[in-house]
Amino acid sequence: GNSVTQMEGPVTLSEEAFLTINCTYTATGYPSLFWYVQYPGEGLQLLLKATKADDKGSNKGFEATYRKETTSFHLEKGSVQVSDSAVYFCALRGYGGSQGNLIFGKGTKLSVKP
Amino acid sequence: NAGVMQNPRHLVRRRGQEARLRCSPMKGHSHVYWYRQLPEEGLKFMVYLQKENIIDESGMPKERFSAEFPKEGPSILRIQQVVRGDSAAYFCASSHGTSGSVPEQYFGPGTRLTVT
Repeated sequence: GNSVTQMEGPVTLSEEAFLTINCTYTATGYPSLFWYVQYPGEGLQLLLKATKADDKGSNKGFEATYRKETTSFHLEKGSVQVSDSAVYFCALRGYGGSQGNLIFGKGTKLSVKP
Repeated sequence: NAGVMQNPRHLVRRRGQEARLRCSPMKGHSHVYWYRQLPEEGLKFMVYLQKENIIDESGMPKERFSAEFPKEGPSILRIQQVVRGDSAAYFCASSHGTSGSVPEQYFGPGTRLTVT
């Protein structure tokens, strides 16, 4: 079945450091891929998405490229800020499946120190 | 424009009691989704509803759990005879309905259920 694996946290970085959070997936067909962010005490917010191979999603300085050959969708940011401290979830939605069936990774907690 | 509202934010129940979790979708949204997040786990899809219809309940436990989204009022996730293993964060998301492209889901802040 479909599944998502992302690197375990927590990840602790200094401000302005480079961020990579790895995400790989298993799916049949052509899933859509997402990164969600959850700030403390809040719900999940969509950070970026990609719906087909080689698409690059980007938002707020974060980027991720849909790599079908490596079944990956790694999240990157060139220079993190303290305000980026949050939990990041990689997710997929299967092609042709229920609109509701988002499949999530376990989440990676990021802490950015000043 | 208010986002997805969930209440209560925290709920404590003793084993055997019933838990009712409420979700009010964003204005204009007619689709609601429920997810559960167990400790140290990612979110797991439970059920997808439209007004007065269950579209997909493939993630719902077979017993004790039910969900509804009536014509008027919030969506309700109901857990009967709760057990300690039901302790989790329950997230609701909503979207508008559209044919063709798959709409974005907007998440609420979650309800944290603790069963003692």
